Amino acid sequence: DAKTTQPPSMDCAEGRAANLPCNHSTISGNEYVYWYRQIHSQGPQYIIHGLKNNETNEMASLIITEDRKSSTLILPHATLRDTAVYYCIVRVLTLGSRLTFGEGTQLTVNP
Amino acid sequence: DVKVTQSSRYLVKRTGEKVFLECVQDMDHENMFWYRQDPGLGLRLIYFSYDVKMKEKGDIPEGYSVSREKKERFSLILESASTNQTSMYLCASRGLRPTEQYFGPGTRLTVT
Repeated sequence: DAKTTQPPSMDCAEGRAANLPCNHSTISGNEYVYWYRQIHSQGPQYIIHGLKNNETNEMASLIITEDRKSSTLILPHATLRDTAVYYCIVRVLTLGSRLTFGEGTQLTVNP
Repeated sequence: DVKVTQSSRYLVKRTGEKVFLECVQDMDHENMFWYRQDPGLGLRLIYFSYDVKMKEKGDIPEGYSVSREKKERFSLILESASTNQTSMYLCASRGLRPTEQYFGPGTRLTVT
């Protein structure tokens, strides 16, 4: 699976958009981009995933660059409950493939 | 709507004890995973299973074994617990489609 690079920490004001970047310059054509988050003392929670098109769901939007070497997770109106560690992961989808978690980005939403 | 459950949230065991961590999923998923999470080391994969009675070693299988006798249940076994196995243990499951992986709430195990 391709390696990802994320900033270790970010801050965001409550009610503003949080834009979390991820670099995955070695991503291959059949690898998906996944985002998870982990609120303190809980299991990781799935947010969104995509292959090459931008995706949106009720939680967030995922913007993938045309060359697929980077992506941005957007939380449109961050709340205090969005404070968590956010993980960007790339992987192929084969039987038994597994998620490899890096250190992620600690997002702190401030009042 | 609970999807992945783990038998205990907190567990305290003594060195040398045999420890069973149970995980159950109700989504009929083929793939199930056991991770441990430690400060500064992130989530590390211990074992995973992609079918009943099938298991594969992850990145740190030493000191652990697993059992998957039924599709919905994946057990992690510490044959002889040691203090360096004090950690947060997370179970996860995933289907075959390119869908999300669901995690359980975690079990914080302390070995004294």
